[in-house]
Amino acid sequence: ETGVTQSPTHLIKTRGQQVTLRCSSQSGHNTVSWYQQALGQGPQFIFQYYREEENGRGNFPPRFSGLQFPNYSSELNVNALELDDSALYLCASSLAGRRTTDTQYFGPGTRLTVL
Amino acid sequence: AQSVTQLGSHVSVSEGALVLLRCNYSSSVPPYLFWYVQYPNQGLQLLLKYTSAATLVKGINGFEAEFKKSETSFHLTKPSAHMSDAAEYFCAVSSPNAGNMLTFGGGTRLMVKP
Repeated sequence: ETGVTQSPTHLIKTRGQQVTLRCSSQSGHNTVSWYQQALGQGPQFIFQYYREEENGRGNFPPRFSGLQFPNYSSELNVNALELDDSALYLCASSLAGRRTTDTQYFGPGTRLTVL
Repeated sequence: AQSVTQLGSHVSVSEGALVLLRCNYSSSVPPYLFWYVQYPNQGLQLLLKYTSAATLVKGINGFEAEFKKSETSFHLTKPSAHMSDAAEYFCAVSSPNAGNMLTFGGGTRLMVKP
């Protein structure tokens, strides 16, 4: 059984650019959540996908968008990058429906630096 | 709305001493509570979770936590610290009416002195 994987590990972009981060869920998991962890802070919930549909969204602007594919892998897209978008982006997968709660298993994260 | 407060952004203990990391939560419904650990340049690893069964929860690496509803607390303890316990620890809360979304505290960095 493979765990949650994320790519790339590190990424450097400049202000105004667009970025796509990728996540492969743990085998059998149908729910993916994305979190942003700024330096020295706890992770903040961005959004969640359950069976290819958005299942909830945190307090992030629309330039943060996502996709979940039929194999339950996922992408996080960020447009018009700002300096404050520099952070560790964490993906977590779980086996949960819309109104259930189950343990989320985290990937190693993608470190995004915006210059 | 739910929230988590972790008292003490940095905690330092000697090797072999008791570890106590504090977590208080706010939730309008019975919560699910989690402790995660993060080692440098890594993702989050689940230590333990409370999901309305036994109030004393045992986790990995000798850690345990007790859910106290009257105090809205879920403090993490370990009887004897090891050097390998040095890491960042996060308390998190979720609730059934918030789907599977975790709200994290700000984290506590545990330092272990030899």
